[in-house]
Amino acid sequence: DIQMTQSPSSLSASVGDRVTITCRASQGIGNYLAWFQQKPGKAPKSLIYAASSLQSGVPSKFSGSGSGTDFTLTISSLQPEDFATYYCQQYNSYPWTFGQGTKVEIK
Amino acid sequence: EVQLLESGGGLVQPGGSLRLSCAASGFTFSSYVMTWVRQAPGKGLEWVSVISGSGGSTYYADSVKGRFTISRDNSKNTLYLQMNSLRVEDTAVYYCAKGLCSSTRCVVDYWGQGTLVTVSS
Repeated sequence: DIQMTQSPSSLSASVGDRVTITCRASQGIGNYLAWFQQKPGKAPKSLIYAASSLQSGVPSKFSGSGSGTDFTLTISSLQPEDFATYYCQQYNSYPWTFGQGTKVEIK
Repeated sequence: EVQLLESGGGLVQPGGSLRLSCAASGFTFSSYVMTWVRQAPGKGLEWVSVISGSGGSTYYADSVKGRFTISRDNSKNTLYLQMNSLRVEDTAVYYCAKGLCSSTRCVVDYWGQGTLVTVSS
Protein backbone atom coordinates (compact mmCIF):
# COMPACT_ATOMS: atom_id res chain seq x y z
CA ASP A 1 0.00 0.00 0.00
CA ILE A 2 1.10 3.57 -0.66
CA GLN A 3 1.65 5.57 2.51
CA MET A 4 0.85 9.27 2.55
CA THR A 5 2.63 11.48 5.07
CA GLN A 6 1.58 15.06 5.72
CA SER A 7 3.55 17.74 7.47
CA PRO A 8 3.06 19.46 9.73
CA SER A 9 0.38 17.60 11.68
CA SER A 10 -0.87 20.94 12.95
CA LEU A 11 -0.05 24.60 12.58
CA SER A 12 -1.13 27.91 14.02
CA ALA A 13 -1.55 30.84 11.70
CA SER A 14 -3.11 34.27 11.60
CA VAL A 15 -5.75 35.66 9.29
CA GLY A 16 -4.02 36.85 6.14
CA ASP A 17 -1.09 34.45 6.43
CA ARG A 18 0.13 32.30 3.56
CA VAL A 19 0.01 28.65 4.59
CA THR A 20 1.68 25.64 2.97
CA ILE A 21 1.02 22.00 3.77
CA THR A 22 3.21 19.20 2.43
CA CYS A 23 2.21 15.67 1.47
CA ARG A 24 4.68 12.93 0.59
CA ALA A 25 3.88 9.58 -1.00
CA SER A 26 5.90 6.46 -0.22
CA GLN A 27 6.20 5.78 -3.96
CA GLY A 28 5.50 7.70 -7.12
CA ILE A 29 1.86 8.43 -7.85
CA GLY A 30 2.17 10.70 -10.88
CA ASN A 31 -0.24 13.58 -10.31
CA TYR A 32 -3.06 11.43 -8.88
CA LEU A 33 -3.31 13.44 -5.69
CA ALA A 34 -6.36 15.10 -4.14
CA TRP A 35 -6.82 17.53 -1.24
CA PHE A 36 -9.84 17.73 1.05
CA GLN A 37 -10.94 20.19 3.73
CA GLN A 38 -12.91 19.10 6.78
CA LYS A 39 -14.44 21.31 9.45
CA PRO A 40 -15.40 19.92 12.87
CA GLY A 41 -18.56 17.82 12.75
CA LYS A 42 -18.89 18.21 8.98
CA ALA A 43 -18.28 16.03 5.94
CA PRO A 44 -15.08 16.54 3.99
CA LYS A 45 -15.13 18.90 1.03
CA SER A 46 -13.16 18.29 -2.14
CA LEU A 47 -10.70 21.08 -2.96
CA ILE A 48 -8.16 19.89 -5.51
CA TYR A 49 -7.67 16.91 -7.83
CA ALA A 50 -4.86 15.92 -10.20
CA ALA A 51 -2.48 17.67 -7.79
CA SER A 52 -3.28 21.18 -9.02
CA SER A 53 -6.80 21.37 -10.50
CA LEU A 54 -9.44 23.15 -8.44
CA GLN A 55 -12.78 21.43 -7.95
CA SER A 56 -15.77 23.41 -9.15
CA GLY A 57 -16.58 26.33 -6.86
CA VAL A 58 -13.34 26.26 -4.89
CA PRO A 59 -11.80 29.74 -4.54
CA SER A 60 -8.50 30.49 -6.21
CA LYS A 61 -6.78 31.22 -2.88
CA PHE A 62 -6.27 27.44 -2.77
CA SER A 63 -3.58 26.01 -4.99
CA GLY A 64 -1.79 22.71 -5.31
CA SER A 65 1.43 21.59 -6.86
CA GLY A 66 3.76 18.64 -7.20
CA SER A 67 4.10 15.30 -8.93
CA GLY A 68 5.70 11.97 -8.25
CA THR A 69 6.11 11.79 -4.49
CA ASP A 70 6.07 15.38 -3.21
CA PHE A 71 3.04 17.66 -3.17
CA THR A 72 1.95 20.90 -1.55
CA LEU A 73 -1.31 22.67 -0.76
CA THR A 74 -1.08 26.44 -0.38
CA ILE A 75 -3.66 28.84 0.97
CA SER A 76 -2.61 32.29 -0.21
CA SER A 77 -4.34 34.43 2.42
CA LEU A 78 -5.88 32.57 5.32
CA GLN A 79 -9.43 33.58 6.21
CA PRO A 80 -11.52 32.61 9.25
CA GLU A 81 -13.49 30.06 7.21
CA ASP A 82 -10.26 28.26 6.25
CA PHE A 83 -9.50 27.03 9.76
CA ALA A 84 -10.03 23.30 9.37
CA THR A 85 -8.25 19.99 8.92
CA TYR A 86 -6.79 19.24 5.49
CA TYR A 87 -6.18 15.78 4.07
CA CYS A 88 -4.26 14.62 1.03
CA GLN A 89 -5.21 11.38 -0.73
CA GLN A 90 -3.64 9.31 -3.49
CA TYR A 91 -5.86 7.71 -6.10
CA ASN A 92 -3.15 6.26 -8.29
CA SER A 93 -3.85 2.72 -7.10
CA TYR A 94 -6.05 0.77 -4.72
CA PRO A 95 -6.27 0.89 -1.81
CA TRP A 96 -6.78 4.65 -1.92
CA THR A 97 -4.90 6.11 1.03
CA PHE A 98 -5.10 9.37 2.95
CA GLY A 99 -2.56 11.40 4.82
CA GLN A 100 -3.09 11.71 8.57
CA GLY A 101 -4.37 15.27 8.26
CA THR A 102 -3.08 18.75 9.03
CA LYS A 103 -5.08 20.84 11.48
CA VAL A 104 -4.90 24.57 10.76
CA GLU A 105 -5.67 26.56 13.89
CA ILE A 106 -6.00 30.23 14.72
CA LYS A 107 -2.95 31.85 16.27
CA GLU B 1 -27.22 19.96 -7.48
CA VAL B 2 -25.52 16.75 -6.39
CA GLN B 3 -27.00 15.31 -3.21
CA LEU B 4 -25.92 12.19 -1.34
CA LEU B 5 -27.97 11.12 1.66
CA GLU B 6 -26.75 8.24 3.80
CA SER B 7 -28.95 6.22 6.14
CA GLY B 8 -28.89 2.96 8.06
CA GLY B 9 -26.34 3.74 10.74
CA GLY B 10 -26.90 2.89 14.38
CA LEU B 11 -25.79 0.81 17.33
CA VAL B 12 -24.96 -2.85 16.71
CA GLN B 13 -23.28 -5.52 18.80
CA PRO B 14 -19.92 -7.03 17.83
CA GLY B 15 -20.46 -9.79 15.31
CA GLY B 16 -23.67 -8.19 14.07
CA SER B 17 -24.66 -6.84 10.68
CA LEU B 18 -25.85 -3.55 9.29
CA ARG B 19 -26.68 -2.24 5.81
CA LEU B 20 -25.98 1.36 4.91
CA SER B 21 -27.73 3.11 2.05
CA CYS B 22 -26.87 6.24 0.11
CA ALA B 23 -29.58 7.88 -1.96
CA ALA B 24 -28.15 9.93 -4.81
CA SER B 25 -29.68 12.73 -6.85
CA GLY B 26 -28.65 15.56 -9.14
CA PHE B 27 -26.54 13.50 -11.52
CA THR B 28 -26.76 10.43 -13.76
CA PHE B 29 -26.04 7.89 -11.04
CA SER B 30 -25.23 4.93 -13.28
CA SER B 31 -22.45 6.85 -15.03
CA TYR B 32 -20.32 7.39 -11.95
CA VAL B 33 -18.07 5.45 -9.63
CA MET B 34 -19.22 5.54 -6.02
CA THR B 35 -17.23 4.95 -2.88
CA TRP B 36 -17.46 4.63 0.92
CA VAL B 37 -14.99 6.36 3.24
CA ARG B 38 -15.10 6.14 7.03
CA GLN B 39 -13.79 8.15 9.95
CA ALA B 40 -13.40 6.72 13.43
CA PRO B 41 -14.11 9.16 16.28
CA GLY B 42 -11.30 11.70 16.51
CA LYS B 43 -9.33 10.00 13.73
CA GLY B 44 -8.53 10.59 10.07
CA LEU B 45 -10.21 9.43 6.89
CA GLU B 46 -10.02 5.78 5.80
CA TRP B 47 -11.11 4.54 2.38
CA VAL B 48 -13.40 1.48 2.60
CA SER B 49 -14.62 0.42 -0.85
CA VAL B 50 -15.41 1.55 -4.40
CA ILE B 51 -17.76 0.34 -7.12
CA SER B 52 -17.88 1.09 -10.83
CA GLY B 53 -20.88 2.70 -12.49
CA SER B 54 -22.20 -0.63 -13.75
CA GLY B 55 -21.47 -2.40 -10.49
CA GLY B 56 -19.24 -4.87 -12.28
CA SER B 57 -16.00 -3.84 -10.56
CA THR B 58 -15.43 -3.48 -6.85
CA TYR B 59 -12.42 -2.94 -4.60
CA TYR B 60 -12.05 -3.12 -0.83
CA ALA B 61 -9.66 -2.10 1.90
CA ASP B 62 -7.96 -5.09 3.48
CA SER B 63 -9.53 -4.15 6.83
CA VAL B 64 -13.04 -4.92 5.52
CA LYS B 65 -12.42 -7.46 2.75
CA GLY B 66 -14.56 -10.56 3.21
CA ARG B 67 -16.84 -8.81 5.72
CA PHE B 68 -18.26 -5.83 3.80
CA THR B 69 -19.97 -5.83 0.40
CA ILE B 70 -20.53 -2.75 -1.72
CA SER B 71 -23.37 -2.76 -4.24
CA ARG B 72 -25.64 -0.40 -6.12
CA ASP B 73 -29.12 -0.31 -7.61
CA ASN B 74 -28.98 2.03 -10.57
CA SER B 75 -32.75 1.86 -11.02
CA LYS B 76 -33.13 3.36 -7.54
CA ASN B 77 -30.08 5.67 -7.65
CA THR B 78 -28.90 4.06 -4.44
CA LEU B 79 -25.54 2.82 -3.17
CA TYR B 80 -25.27 0.22 -0.42
CA LEU B 81 -22.72 -1.12 2.02
CA GLN B 82 -23.56 -4.46 3.64
CA MET B 83 -21.47 -4.82 6.77
CA ASN B 84 -21.20 -8.25 8.42
CA SER B 85 -19.13 -9.60 11.30
CA LEU B 86 -18.82 -6.09 12.68
CA ARG B 87 -16.00 -5.29 15.08
CA VAL B 88 -15.55 -2.56 17.66
CA GLU B 89 -12.92 -1.02 15.40
CA ASP B 90 -15.53 -0.55 12.64
CA THR B 91 -17.11 2.21 14.75
CA ALA B 92 -17.01 5.31 12.58
CA VAL B 93 -18.93 7.85 10.58
CA TYR B 94 -19.41 6.34 7.13
CA TYR B 95 -19.44 8.73 4.18
CA CYS B 96 -20.80 7.99 0.75
CA ALA B 97 -18.97 9.84 -2.02
CA LYS B 98 -19.24 10.28 -5.77
CA GLY B 99 -16.28 9.75 -8.07
CA LEU B 100 -15.18 11.84 -11.02
CA CYS B 101 -13.22 9.78 -13.55
CA SER B 102 -10.69 10.60 -16.21
CA SER B 103 -9.73 7.99 -18.74
CA THR B 104 -7.61 6.09 -16.23
CA ARG B 105 -8.36 7.20 -12.66
CA CYS B 106 -11.25 8.29 -10.47
CA VAL B 107 -11.28 10.86 -7.67
CA VAL B 108 -13.92 11.92 -5.15
CA ASP B 109 -15.70 15.17 -5.98
CA TYR B 110 -18.83 15.13 -3.77
CA TRP B 111 -19.46 13.78 -0.29
CA GLY B 112 -22.56 12.88 1.69
CA GLN B 113 -23.10 14.10 5.24
CA GLY B 114 -22.27 10.73 6.80
CA THR B 115 -23.99 8.18 9.03
CA LEU B 116 -22.64 6.97 12.37
CA VAL B 117 -22.10 3.28 13.00
CA THR B 118 -21.36 2.27 16.58
CA VAL B 119 -20.27 -1.29 17.32
CA SER B 120 -20.50 -1.97 21.02
CA SER B 121 -21.86 -4.49 23.48
